[in-house]
This record gives sequence, structure tokens and C-alpha cells, in this order.
Amino acid sequence: GNSVTQMEGPVTLSEEAFLTINCTYTATGYPSLFWYVQYPGEGLQLLLKATKADDKGSNKGFEATYRKETTSFHLEKGSVQVSDSAVYFCALSDTGDKIIFGKGTRLHILP
Amino acid sequence: NAGVTQTPKFRVLKTGQSMTLLCAQDMNHEYMYWYRQDPGMGLRLIHYSVGEGTTAKGEVPDGYNVSRLKKQNFLLGLESAAPSQTSVYFCASSYARDTQETQYFGPGTRLLVL
Repeated sequence: GNSVTQMEGPVTLSEEAFLTINCTYTATGYPSLFWYVQYPGEGLQLLLKATKADDKGSNKGFEATYRKETTSFHLEKGSVQVSDSAVYFCALSDTGDKIIFGKGTRLHILP
Repeated sequence: NAGVTQTPKFRVLKTGQSMTLLCAQDMNHEYMYWYRQDPGMGLRLIHYSVGEGTTAKGEVPDGYNVSRLKKQNFLLGLESAAPSQTSVYFCASSYARDTQETQYFGPGTRLLVL
């Protein structure tokens, strides 16, 4: 079945560092891909998405490109801030009515 | 718009007790979902609904029941709580069935079963 694998955390970086969180997927067909973010004490919220191969999703300085050849959707940001500390979930749209989430990667940004 | 709201925010139960978690959305969304979030497990889908009066099982449905009597509400019931159901529960909703569709999440309910 369809699945999502993302790098385990926690990831700890200093402010202004470059961020990459790896995500790879297994899917039949052509799923949409998402990154959701969960700030402390809150529910998940959509960060960005891409719906077809080679699409780039972007929001709040974060980017991810839908790579069909490598089945990847890595999250990147050029210069992280303390306020980016959160848990990040990679996800894909499953056949039918559901979204499959990865296990999440906790990100800590040090001032 | 309040978005997706969940009641209660926190609850402590004893083993064997029952309770109902309420999820409400004011966005006229067709689809609603219940997830549980456990450390190292990510989010796992318990049950979902594709419209008023419908429900379907997700990945981990055992020990839970749901009802969608009104379009805006999705209830999650625990008939006889067990310590293994200690978790954080999230409700989500989306507008329609579409592979591009975004899910909107509530703030979560933290449940502790003793």
C-alpha cells in the first residue's frame, strides 16, 4: 500500500541555518503530496502542497519539489528562525478518501 | 469562522468508563476525520465520514465508535476506555473528495486513561 517515510528527529539547528527534512513515498498512481506543520500545543496545519510531478510548493520561506523519479518531496528552507520550531509531517493523498501521514520530524531551532 | 473545534480539551478517565469527544466545523465541509497521535507513531486514522449519516473505518477503529448525525458534527465514542487509548485525539475536516484537498485540524483533545 501507499506509505510515507520521513527522516527521524529531532533535528536541531542554529538560527539562520539551512534546513532539509527528507521525505520519500511509495504510491500507485499520482498522489498529491503535502507538508503539514504542528506548533506546540496546536493541531496540524497545511504548510505547502504539490499536486503533480515537478510542481514546487512554497510557503513562509519553505519549499518542496515533487520528484517522481526519486519518489521524494524534501522540505527545505534557506534560513530558519526560532519560530520554525515545530513538528513537520510529510503526507500523501491515498486512493479513496484519506491522507497518509509520515511519523513526523521534530525541529528545534536554537537562538 | 471558528474552523474546527474540539470538546473537551483534556479528560482523565478510569479504565472501563465511557466518554464522547465532540468535533464541530463551521466550514460546510463534507468530509470529517478522527485521528490519534502517539509518540513515534505519527497520526493514525480511527474513523472518517464522507458526509452526513455516513461513517467508515480507518486504520485503528477497534474500541471506538463514531456518528455523523449532522453535517457539522462528528462524534467519537469510547464505550469502555482502556489505558491503550491514552493519546491525543485530533479531528479534521475537508471540503470534498479530491486528491488535492487540504485537511483542517482542530486543536486536539488530550485523553488519559488510568
